[in-house]
Amino acid sequence: GAVVSQHPSWVICKSGTSVKIECRSLDFQATTMFWYRQFPKQSLMLMATSNEGSKATYEQGVEKDKFLINHASLTLSTLTVTSAHPEDSSFYICSARGPIAGARDTQYFGPGTRLTVL
Amino acid sequence: GDSVTQMEGPVTLSEEAFLTINCTYTATGYPSLFWYVQYPGEGLQLLLKATKADDKGSNKGFEATYRKETTSFHLEKGSVQVSDSAVYFCALSDRETGGFKTIFGAGTRLFVKA
Repeated sequence: GAVVSQHPSWVICKSGTSVKIECRSLDFQATTMFWYRQFPKQSLMLMATSNEGSKATYEQGVEKDKFLINHASLTLSTLTVTSAHPEDSSFYICSARGPIAGARDTQYFGPGTRLTVL
Repeated sequence: GDSVTQMEGPVTLSEEAFLTINCTYTATGYPSLFWYVQYPGEGLQLLLKATKADDKGSNKGFEATYRKETTSFHLEKGSVQVSDSAVYFCALSDRETGGFKTIFGAGTRLFVKA
């Protein structure tokens, strides 16, 4: 149980285009979803936290107009990288947390999406 | 604020060697503690967790004990395999208004040689 999927697993796009990444909780209701960015051989950097039905809370230094997050349902959150540039190339990972018995404090991670902007 | 400190890597071991990855934490409350593992090119997987002092989490031969007196949660495995090569993240989750906040350590890369 507690499976989180992401789509696509990798994407290559041209500079200036927008890219949408989906994150789904497959077998539980994700009341809170998180979006992370990870550079090669580095730790996770939390970008934003979103609760279902409300606006995302962005971490300091993360441009909310560039990284649009929508958490419209209890099983789906999307991250849209708008007007992507090469410096946005990274590994984006989502995670989800929900009212799972004995695991309300546990985050479950998706497999990640590798974005390459040419 | 809360924080997690884990030993720097990379850690390189031969197959069947004993593994210890140190993790210490600071927290204002009574956090739950986690170890996550990230295999190359993948997201993070929950490896084990412990929710209160003296609890031992275990999975796939790995184990870690929640030590409140030393604020530690060291990861151990008696005999590592090549397939254990990955990055290991220690984390804590502490209650805050409206839910929980999770703090991750910087990660420790493990290489296991055949």
